[in-house]
Amino acid sequence: KAGVTQTPRYLIKTRGQQVTLSCSPISGHRSVSWYQQTPGQGLQFLFEYFSETQRNKGNFPGRFSGRQFSNSRSEMNVSTLELGDSALYLCASSLGTSGGTDTQYFGPGTRLTVL
Amino acid sequence: AQSVTQLDSQVPVFEEAPVELRCNYSSSVSVYLFWYVQYPNQGLQLLLKYLSGSTLVESINGFEAEFNKSQTSFHLRKPSVHISDTAEYFCAVKGFGGGTSYGKLTFGQGTILTVHP
Repeated sequence: KAGVTQTPRYLIKTRGQQVTLSCSPISGHRSVSWYQQTPGQGLQFLFEYFSETQRNKGNFPGRFSGRQFSNSRSEMNVSTLELGDSALYLCASSLGTSGGTDTQYFGPGTRLTVL
Repeated sequence: AQSVTQLDSQVPVFEEAPVELRCNYSSSVSVYLFWYVQYPNQGLQLLLKYLSGSTLVESINGFEAEFNKSQTSFHLRKPSVHISDTAEYFCAVKGFGGGTSYGKLTFGQGTILTVHP
């Protein structure tokens, strides 16, 4: 079974631009969660989508948004990029049911550098 | 809300020595507990998890962790480490049920384990 894939793997943008990252979950998984990983703040939860609906959201500004498609693929968008948005963005997929006992499987991440 | 504290940011150890990576958590609700490992330039891989039942859980590559509810801890141990265990290890918790727990893992800051020959 193929794992979680994320594209692109690396991105370089300049301040003020916007960026879209993509995540394809494991086949059959309906939940996709996004995380930001930085050396200073560690791993922080951005949001979670299940069946095309955002079910949960972390404490990030509105510049960070996401969506999920009917095939469970998900995208996240960051508008008006700031230097502090430089990070590794990880997505994780899971079945999304079972009261939270299902395991999250992570993709390799997208490394975003903002210049 | 939950928080996770990994008590050591770096742990150096010699090959074949035992190791313990410490994790304490705080939560207003019951939680599930996880250890993930991250190798350089890769995503996170699940090492082991505690959902219920026996408080001692084991992974296929020799790691084990014990859930201690009274001390709110979930320390990771291995009796004999290998060079290939060099990586960053993250402890994480997830609240029971839905609502603000949906799809959300709360992670510690990570512990870099370096195994020296």
